[in-house]
Amino acid sequence: AQKVTQAQTEISVVEKEDVTLDCVYETRDTTYYLFWYKQPPSGELVFLIRRNSFDEQNEISGRYSWNFQKSTSSFNFTITASQVVDSAVYFCALSGDTGRRALTFGSGTRLQVQP
Amino acid sequence: GAGVSQSPSNKVTEKGKDVELRCDPISGHTALYWYRQSLGQGLEFLIYFQGNSAPDKSGLPSDRFSAERTGGSVSTLTIQRTQQEDSAVYLCASSLAGYEQYFGPGTRLTVT
Repeated sequence: AQKVTQAQTEISVVEKEDVTLDCVYETRDTTYYLFWYKQPPSGELVFLIRRNSFDEQNEISGRYSWNFQKSTSSFNFTITASQVVDSAVYFCALSGDTGRRALTFGSGTRLQVQP
Repeated sequence: GAGVSQSPSNKVTEKGKDVELRCDPISGHTALYWYRQSLGQGLEFLIYFQGNSAPDKSGLPSDRFSAERTGGSVSTLTIQRTQQEDSAVYLCASSLAGYEQYFGPGTRLTVT
C-alpha cells in the first residue's frame, strides 16, 4: 500500500521568508512518481512538479525548489522569498508506474503568507 | 488549449435523489480519473478510465456510485440515492498515459 504523510497541517510565514513543506512517503514499488500540487483558494488543483524515483537530482524552478531523498523517503518543497500569492494548500502525492497510476495524496499543508 | 472542465460547478440535492456530474477532459488525454475531496477523508481516488479498457472501479465507496466514459472522452459520474456523507467536492483529472494529471475545477455536491 502507498502512503503519503504531510505532518505540517498549517504554516504561517511573513512575506519574503523562505518556507519548506515536508513530504514523507511509503511504497513497495521500485518505480514510482512523486508530485506536488497547489490548491489556491479558488479550489482548482494546479500541477507543480512530477519526479520519478530514479531521478534524485534536486530541481529548481524560479522561487520553487524540490529536494528528493530516497534514503529518507522524502520529497520536500521549498519556496524562497515567499509571496502572498503563494498562500494555498499544497499537496504531495505518489503514484505507481503501472496500472491505474492513481494518485495517493497527503493530507495537505496550508500555507499562509502574511504581508 | 482548454483544460479539464466540469459541470455543474455546484449541485445541491435532497437526500435520496440521484445526481450526475460531468467531466470533459483535455483533448487527446487517454486517461481520466475521478477523485473526491472531503474534510474527513481528504483527497481519495474513485475510478479510472484508460482508453477503451474496462474501468478500474476499485475506489468507488459503494454500489450507489457508477461512472461511464463515452467515446473515450466525456465522463459522467452518477450517484444514486444520495446520502449526506456523499457531500464533497468531486474532482476530475485527465492525463496522457503515464504522465501528470491535470485537474478540473470540481463539482461541489451538497446533500441536504
